[in-house]
Amino acid sequence: DGGITQSPKYLFRKEGQNVTLSCEQNLNHDAMYWYRQDPGQGLRLIYYSQIVNDFQKGDIAEGYSVSREKKESFPLTVTSAQKNPTAFYLCATYETGRTEKLFFGSGTQLSVL
Amino acid sequence: AQSVSQHNHHVILSEAASLELGCNYSYGGTVNLFWYVQYPGQHLQLLLKYFSGDPLVKGIKGFEAEFIKSKFSFNLRKPSVQWSDTAEYFCAVNVNFNKFYFGSGTKLNVKP
Repeated sequence: DGGITQSPKYLFRKEGQNVTLSCEQNLNHDAMYWYRQDPGQGLRLIYYSQIVNDFQKGDIAEGYSVSREKKESFPLTVTSAQKNPTAFYLCATYETGRTEKLFFGSGTQLSVL
Repeated sequence: AQSVSQHNHHVILSEAASLELGCNYSYGGTVNLFWYVQYPGQHLQLLLKYFSGDPLVKGIKGFEAEFIKSKFSFNLRKPSVQWSDTAEYFCAVNVNFNKFYFGSGTKLNVKP
Protein backbone atom coordinates (compact mmCIF):
# COMPACT_ATOMS: atom_id res chain seq x y z
CA ASP A 1 0.00 0.00 0.00
CA GLY A 2 1.11 3.53 -0.67
CA GLY A 3 2.46 5.70 2.11
CA ILE A 4 4.93 3.26 3.68
CA THR A 5 8.47 3.23 2.37
CA GLN A 6 10.86 0.48 3.34
CA SER A 7 14.49 0.65 2.36
CA PRO A 8 16.61 -0.90 1.16
CA LYS A 9 14.76 -3.52 -0.85
CA TYR A 10 17.68 -5.96 -0.50
CA LEU A 11 20.30 -5.96 2.24
CA PHE A 12 23.27 -8.16 2.91
CA ARG A 13 24.80 -8.58 6.33
CA LYS A 14 28.22 -9.82 7.20
CA GLU A 15 28.85 -11.91 10.28
CA GLY A 16 28.99 -9.78 13.42
CA GLN A 17 27.55 -6.74 11.73
CA ASN A 18 24.54 -4.69 12.80
CA VAL A 19 22.27 -3.49 10.04
CA THR A 20 19.34 -1.09 10.11
CA LEU A 21 16.17 -1.39 8.07
CA SER A 22 14.28 1.80 7.41
CA CYS A 23 10.52 2.26 7.60
CA GLU A 24 8.96 5.65 6.90
CA GLN A 25 5.26 6.46 6.66
CA ASN A 26 3.29 9.51 5.63
CA LEU A 27 -0.11 8.12 6.58
CA ASN A 28 -0.16 9.81 9.98
CA HIS A 29 -0.85 6.48 11.68
CA ASP A 30 0.11 6.12 15.33
CA ALA A 31 0.73 2.38 15.44
CA MET A 32 3.63 0.77 13.60
CA TYR A 33 4.78 -2.84 13.49
CA TRP A 34 7.73 -4.91 12.36
CA TYR A 35 7.21 -8.47 11.17
CA ARG A 36 9.50 -11.15 9.94
CA GLN A 37 8.18 -13.44 7.19
CA ASP A 38 9.73 -16.87 6.73
CA PRO A 39 8.37 -19.52 4.35
CA GLY A 40 5.81 -21.70 6.11
CA GLN A 41 5.83 -19.61 9.28
CA GLY A 42 3.68 -16.67 8.31
CA LEU A 43 4.39 -13.28 9.83
CA ARG A 44 5.94 -13.15 13.27
CA LEU A 45 5.82 -9.97 15.32
CA ILE A 46 9.20 -8.50 16.25
CA TYR A 47 8.35 -5.12 17.76
CA TYR A 48 5.47 -2.70 17.71
CA SER A 49 4.88 0.89 18.70
CA GLN A 50 1.57 2.47 19.57
CA ILE A 51 2.91 5.98 19.98
CA VAL A 52 6.06 8.06 19.62
CA ASN A 53 8.82 7.28 22.14
CA ASP A 54 7.15 4.02 23.15
CA PHE A 55 7.54 0.51 21.78
CA GLN A 56 6.90 -3.04 22.93
CA LYS A 57 8.48 -6.40 22.22
CA GLY A 58 6.68 -8.91 20.09
CA ASP A 59 7.19 -12.66 20.12
CA ILE A 60 10.65 -12.73 18.56
CA ALA A 61 12.36 -9.51 19.72
CA GLU A 62 15.67 -11.12 20.71
CA GLY A 63 18.49 -9.87 18.50
CA TYR A 64 16.53 -6.87 17.29
CA SER A 65 16.14 -3.28 18.45
CA VAL A 66 13.94 -0.38 17.41
CA SER A 67 13.39 3.30 18.06
CA ARG A 68 10.40 5.58 17.59
CA GLU A 69 11.66 9.13 17.86
CA LYS A 70 9.27 10.44 15.23
CA LYS A 71 5.76 9.43 14.30
CA GLU A 72 6.83 8.89 10.70
CA SER A 73 9.79 6.63 11.36
CA PHE A 74 10.26 3.20 12.96
CA PRO A 75 13.70 1.80 12.08
CA LEU A 76 14.62 -1.78 12.92
CA THR A 77 18.20 -2.77 13.75
CA VAL A 78 19.18 -6.38 13.30
CA THR A 79 22.06 -6.91 15.68
CA SER A 80 24.86 -9.45 15.62
CA ALA A 81 22.99 -11.29 18.38
CA GLN A 82 20.36 -12.38 15.84
CA LYS A 83 21.84 -15.66 14.67
CA ASN A 84 19.39 -16.38 11.89
CA PRO A 85 18.59 -13.01 10.33
CA THR A 86 17.93 -14.16 6.77
CA ALA A 87 14.26 -13.36 6.16
CA PHE A 88 11.84 -10.97 4.55
CA TYR A 89 11.02 -8.06 6.86
CA LEU A 90 7.74 -6.20 6.67
CA CYS A 91 6.83 -2.90 8.26
CA ALA A 92 3.18 -2.07 8.81
CA THR A 93 1.02 0.71 10.17
CA TYR A 94 -2.44 0.43 11.63
CA GLU A 95 -5.22 2.84 10.93
CA THR A 96 -7.81 3.06 13.66
CA GLY A 97 -11.20 4.67 13.31
CA ARG A 98 -11.60 4.70 9.54
CA THR A 99 -10.47 1.53 7.83
CA GLU A 100 -9.27 -0.36 10.89
CA LYS A 101 -6.69 -2.28 8.93
CA LEU A 102 -2.97 -2.81 8.59
CA PHE A 103 -1.10 -1.15 5.77
CA PHE A 104 2.10 -2.87 4.66
CA GLY A 105 5.31 -1.67 3.13
CA SER A 106 6.97 -3.49 0.24
CA GLY A 107 9.47 -5.24 2.50
CA THR A 108 13.21 -5.72 2.83
CA GLN A 109 14.92 -9.02 2.04
CA LEU A 110 17.86 -9.47 4.37
CA SER A 111 20.50 -12.09 3.62
CA VAL A 112 23.68 -13.09 5.36
CA LEU A 113 26.93 -13.15 3.39
CA ALA B 1 0.74 -21.12 24.11
CA GLN B 2 -1.27 -18.32 22.55
CA SER B 3 -1.40 -18.67 18.80
CA VAL B 4 -3.23 -18.35 15.53
CA SER B 5 -3.53 -21.72 13.82
CA GLN B 6 -4.20 -22.30 10.17
CA HIS B 7 -4.81 -25.96 9.60
CA ASN B 8 -4.06 -26.26 5.91
CA HIS B 9 -0.64 -25.25 4.69
CA HIS B 10 -1.24 -26.01 1.04
CA VAL B 11 -4.56 -26.44 -0.75
CA ILE B 12 -5.01 -27.39 -4.39
CA LEU B 13 -8.42 -26.96 -6.02
CA SER B 14 -9.88 -26.93 -9.48
CA GLU B 15 -11.73 -23.87 -10.71
CA ALA B 16 -15.35 -23.68 -9.52
CA ALA B 17 -14.62 -25.82 -6.46
CA SER B 18 -15.66 -24.51 -3.08
CA LEU B 19 -13.06 -23.29 -0.61
CA GLU B 20 -12.90 -23.35 3.15
CA LEU B 21 -9.74 -22.40 5.02
CA GLY B 22 -9.64 -22.97 8.74
CA CYS B 23 -8.39 -20.51 11.36
CA ASN B 24 -8.41 -20.94 15.11
CA TYR B 25 -7.00 -18.61 17.72
CA SER B 26 -6.25 -18.99 21.39
CA TYR B 27 -6.06 -15.41 22.64
CA GLY B 28 -8.27 -14.03 25.37
CA GLY B 29 -9.51 -10.50 25.78
CA THR B 30 -10.97 -8.43 23.01
CA VAL B 31 -10.12 -9.84 19.61
CA ASN B 32 -10.70 -8.49 16.15
CA LEU B 33 -10.25 -10.92 13.30
CA PHE B 34 -8.90 -10.50 9.81
CA TRP B 35 -8.08 -12.42 6.67
CA TYR B 36 -5.31 -11.09 4.46
CA VAL B 37 -4.25 -12.32 1.04
CA GLN B 38 -0.88 -12.11 -0.66
CA TYR B 39 -0.92 -12.58 -4.42
CA PRO B 40 2.38 -13.55 -6.02
CA GLY B 41 4.75 -10.60 -5.99
CA GLN B 42 2.30 -8.30 -4.27
CA HIS B 43 1.73 -6.76 -0.84
CA LEU B 44 -0.59 -8.24 1.72
CA GLN B 45 -4.15 -7.05 1.16
CA LEU B 46 -7.13 -7.10 3.48
CA LEU B 47 -9.86 -9.53 2.40
CA LEU B 48 -12.26 -9.02 5.27
CA LYS B 49 -12.48 -8.28 8.97
CA TYR B 50 -14.72 -8.96 11.92
CA PHE B 51 -15.07 -6.65 14.89
CA SER B 52 -18.59 -7.21 16.19
CA GLY B 53 -22.16 -7.79 15.08
CA ASP B 54 -23.18 -10.32 12.45
CA PRO B 55 -20.67 -13.18 12.73
CA LEU B 56 -20.88 -13.81 9.00
CA VAL B 57 -18.82 -11.17 7.25
CA LYS B 58 -18.43 -10.61 3.55
CA GLY B 59 -15.28 -9.33 1.97
CA ILE B 60 -13.90 -8.55 -1.42
CA LYS B 61 -13.86 -10.89 -4.41
CA GLY B 62 -16.70 -13.06 -3.13
CA PHE B 63 -14.97 -14.20 0.05
CA GLU B 64 -16.77 -14.53 3.35
CA ALA B 65 -15.85 -15.68 6.84
CA GLU B 66 -17.78 -16.87 9.83
CA PHE B 67 -16.81 -16.08 13.41
CA ILE B 68 -17.77 -18.83 15.84
CA LYS B 69 -16.93 -17.54 19.28
CA SER B 70 -17.45 -20.86 21.06
CA LYS B 71 -14.95 -22.53 18.77
CA PHE B 72 -12.48 -19.62 18.64
CA SER B 73 -12.68 -19.95 14.89
CA PHE B 74 -12.82 -17.62 11.92
CA ASN B 75 -12.95 -19.76 8.79
CA LEU B 76 -12.70 -18.29 5.32
CA ARG B 77 -15.01 -19.50 2.55
CA LYS B 78 -15.67 -18.96 -1.13
CA PRO B 79 -18.37 -20.91 -2.99
CA SER B 80 -16.54 -21.08 -6.31
CA VAL B 81 -12.84 -20.33 -6.69
CA GLN B 82 -11.16 -18.92 -9.76
CA TRP B 83 -7.64 -19.33 -11.07
CA SER B 84 -7.00 -15.72 -10.02
CA ASP B 85 -7.55 -16.71 -6.37
CA THR B 86 -4.19 -18.47 -6.39
CA ALA B 87 -2.36 -16.79 -3.51
CA GLU B 88 -1.32 -17.20 0.10
CA TYR B 89 -3.96 -16.50 2.72
CA PHE B 90 -3.26 -15.35 6.26
CA CYS B 91 -5.56 -15.24 9.23
CA ALA B 92 -4.76 -12.47 11.73
CA VAL B 93 -5.93 -11.54 15.20
CA ASN B 94 -5.73 -8.13 16.80
CA VAL B 95 -5.67 -8.53 20.57
CA ASN B 96 -6.98 -5.78 22.83
CA PHE B 97 -6.53 -3.21 20.03
CA ASN B 98 -2.83 -3.74 20.47
CA LYS B 99 -0.77 -6.54 18.95
CA PHE B 100 -1.50 -8.17 15.62
CA TYR B 101 -0.76 -11.89 15.34
CA PHE B 102 -0.75 -13.86 12.10
CA GLY B 103 -1.17 -17.51 11.29
CA SER B 104 1.41 -19.41 9.29
CA GLY B 105 -0.52 -18.99 6.06
CA THR B 106 -2.24 -21.28 3.56
CA LYS B 107 -1.05 -21.45 -0.01
CA LEU B 108 -3.92 -21.94 -2.42
CA ASN B 109 -3.31 -23.20 -5.94
CA VAL B 110 -6.30 -23.14 -8.24
CA LYS B 111 -5.95 -25.25 -11.37
CA PRO B 112 -7.58 -23.82 -14.48
